[in-house]
Amino acid sequence: GDSVTQMEGPVTLSEEAFLTINCTYTATGYPSLFWYVQYPGEGLQLLLKATKADDKGSNKGFEATYRKETTSFHLEKGSVQVSDSAVYFCALSEGRGGTSYGKLTFGQGTILTVHP
Amino acid sequence: NAGVTQTPKFQVLKTGQSMTLQCAQDMNHNSMYWYRQDPGMGLRLIYYSASEGTTDKGEVPNGYNVSRLNKREFSLRLESAAPSQTSVYFCASRRLAGTVESPLHFGNGTRLTVT
Repeated sequence: GDSVTQMEGPVTLSEEAFLTINCTYTATGYPSLFWYVQYPGEGLQLLLKATKADDKGSNKGFEATYRKETTSFHLEKGSVQVSDSAVYFCALSEGRGGTSYGKLTFGQGTILTVHP
Repeated sequence: NAGVTQTPKFQVLKTGQSMTLQCAQDMNHNSMYWYRQDPGMGLRLIYYSASEGTTDKGEVPNGYNVSRLNKREFSLRLESAAPSQTSVYFCASRRLAGTVESPLHFGNGTRLTVT
C-alpha cells in the first residue's frame, strides 16, 4: 500500500537558519503530495501541495518539489522564524491510476522548534 | 468563519463507557473524515463519508461506528471504550472525495483519555 516516510525529529534550529525536512513516499498511480502544518492546540492546515512530477509547491517561504525519480517531496525554507515552530506532516493522495476516494496517507510528523 | 467544529475538546472515559464525538462543517463540503493521531504514527483514517448517505471504513475502524447525519454533520461513536483508544481525534472535510486538488480542512481535535 501507499506509505510516507519523514525524517525523524525533533528538529531544533536557531532563527534564520535553513530548514530541510525530508519526505519520501511509495505509491501506485500518480499521487498528489502535500505538506500540512499543525500549530500547538490546533488541527492540521494545508501548507503547500504539488499534483504532478516536477511541480514546486510554495507558501509562506516554504517550498517543496515533487521528484518522481527519487520519490521525494522534501520541505525547505531559507530562513526560519520562531513562529514556524510546529509539527509538519508530509502526505500523499492517490490520483490518476489509483483508487482515488480522497484518502490521504500521512507521514508520522516532524516536530520543529525554532529558538530566537 | 467556523470551518470544522468538533465537540467536546477534552474527554475522560472509564473503560467500557460509551460516547459520541460530534463534528460539523459549514463549508458545504461533500466528504468528511475521522482520523486519530498517536505519537510517532501520524494520522490514521478511522472512517470516512465520501458523500451524504455513504460511509466507509478506513485503516483502523475496529471499535468505532460513524453516522453521517446530514451533509454538515458526521459523528464518531465509541460503544465500549478501551485504553487503546486514548488518542487525539480529528474530523476533517473536503469539497469532493477523489479530487486531489481539494485540500482537507481539519477541526481542532478532541483529546480523549480512557482509563
